[in-house]
Amino acid sequence: DAGITQSPRHKVTETGTPVTLRCHQTENHRYMYWYRQDPGHGLRLIHYSYGVKDTDKGEVSDGYSVSRSKTEDFLLTLESATSSQTSVYFCAAVPENTYNEQFFGPGTRLTVL
Amino acid sequence: QQQVKQSPQSLIVQKGGISIINCAYENTAFDYFPWYQQFPGKGPALLIAIRPDVSEKKEGRFTISFNKSAKQFSLHIMDSQPGDSATYFCAASGASGRLTFGEGTQLTVNP
Repeated sequence: DAGITQSPRHKVTETGTPVTLRCHQTENHRYMYWYRQDPGHGLRLIHYSYGVKDTDKGEVSDGYSVSRSKTEDFLLTLESATSSQTSVYFCAAVPENTYNEQFFGPGTRLTVL
Repeated sequence: QQQVKQSPQSLIVQKGGISIINCAYENTAFDYFPWYQQFPGKGPALLIAIRPDVSEKKEGRFTISFNKSAKQFSLHIMDSQPGDSATYFCAASGASGRLTFGEGTQLTVNP
């Protein structure tokens, strides 16, 4: 699992509230990714990071922001949650000396009421 | 824009049979094609991957077949077992490292 944990594992929140999801890794991986998983869509990339303070947008980045102030933590923030952001969120990281072998965390199930 | 199309959406196979899942891609710059296996409530787990310099890769009961000219690749699970019942995702990436995933196939292996 490349030492990846996610918190919280489950969260229920209300529309309009801010939400931050945390991805933590213990193996000094440089590349980290945030995906959302929805039925019929597979996994879609939200944002990714290629180092501390280096982040970029994925294909479904609207409504999300990220921060990476330390190598081990990659945070995903929903500034004002909407019901369309109800989903399962996965973090992934790429170990060094592999060619883009992304290893995933256990996921966070987010429900926005 | 769906750059990786996966089929079928669902597949039911008898124990001992062969499961075949297909994917097609559009971007000729893709150079890495992994397959992920996901059990309910878990994150996807890397199963097997191939680069386009080979046409086939086998790991145990799992084989990827790759057809560069047709821009297609497939996962074959030989001697399918009930424990293989899961959702399988194909994916592809290029130099950016960004993975584009297929929609997933829910495989059920009946005992």
